[in-house]
Amino acid sequence: AQKVTQAQTEISVVEKEDVTLDCVYETRDTTYYLFWYKQPPSGELVFLIRRNSFDEQNEISGRYSWNFQKSTSSFNFTITASQVVDSAVYFCALSEMNRDDKIIFGKGTRLHILP
Amino acid sequence: KAGVTQTPRYLIKTRGQQVTLSCSPISGHRSVSWYQQTPGQGLQFLFEYFSETQRNKGNFPGRFSGRQFSNSRSEMNVSTLELGDSALYLCASSFQGGGSTDTQYFGPGTRLTVL
Repeated sequence: AQKVTQAQTEISVVEKEDVTLDCVYETRDTTYYLFWYKQPPSGELVFLIRRNSFDEQNEISGRYSWNFQKSTSSFNFTITASQVVDSAVYFCALSEMNRDDKIIFGKGTRLHILP
Repeated sequence: KAGVTQTPRYLIKTRGQQVTLSCSPISGHRSVSWYQQTPGQGLQFLFEYFSETQRNKGNFPGRFSGRQFSNSRSEMNVSTLELGDSALYLCASSFQGGGSTDTQYFGPGTRLTVL
């Protein structure tokens, strides 16, 4: 079955600390996509990254980096040198291309960056 | 380019009433997806429309329906409202749809409160 687990419901760190948000997924498909979205207090979901199942290369974008490991079915997200503006709810999501192509979201991790 | 717009932003209804929410996608995008977000169930996929046709549907009762117009604008309707329908309803647009192959851009959402 298709499932995304974000075990950390809430995390608080002090500004400038690094923080990693965990995401574990379950799928029976070999072809799938993983996503991370950010939801600031305004409510609008902001797309951060999409990664397909055939590309296990880690990705870095500024202070953000993603670690995709198929062996452990994980797609973790790290924010380096966190800033107060990073405070938001972060969602990991999965879409199985060979099925109905719907996106399944995890429950989200609420991140508080304390000044 | 203008983003996804949703109207109204806030809505208060009473049980038994019906409600219609509107979503205007990014210009050139032909796919519109709807999601319901609640504290208990998180983000859940409602349905996707592409070129005026419903392409995918989530596990929601028939009280939830939608449609898409020739200009790609979409409406979502909920009939016989229940207290549990109180949620943030998010709309997302993408160029060709298919959650795995196309990036979705989300609107700010409509917060529906059912009394």
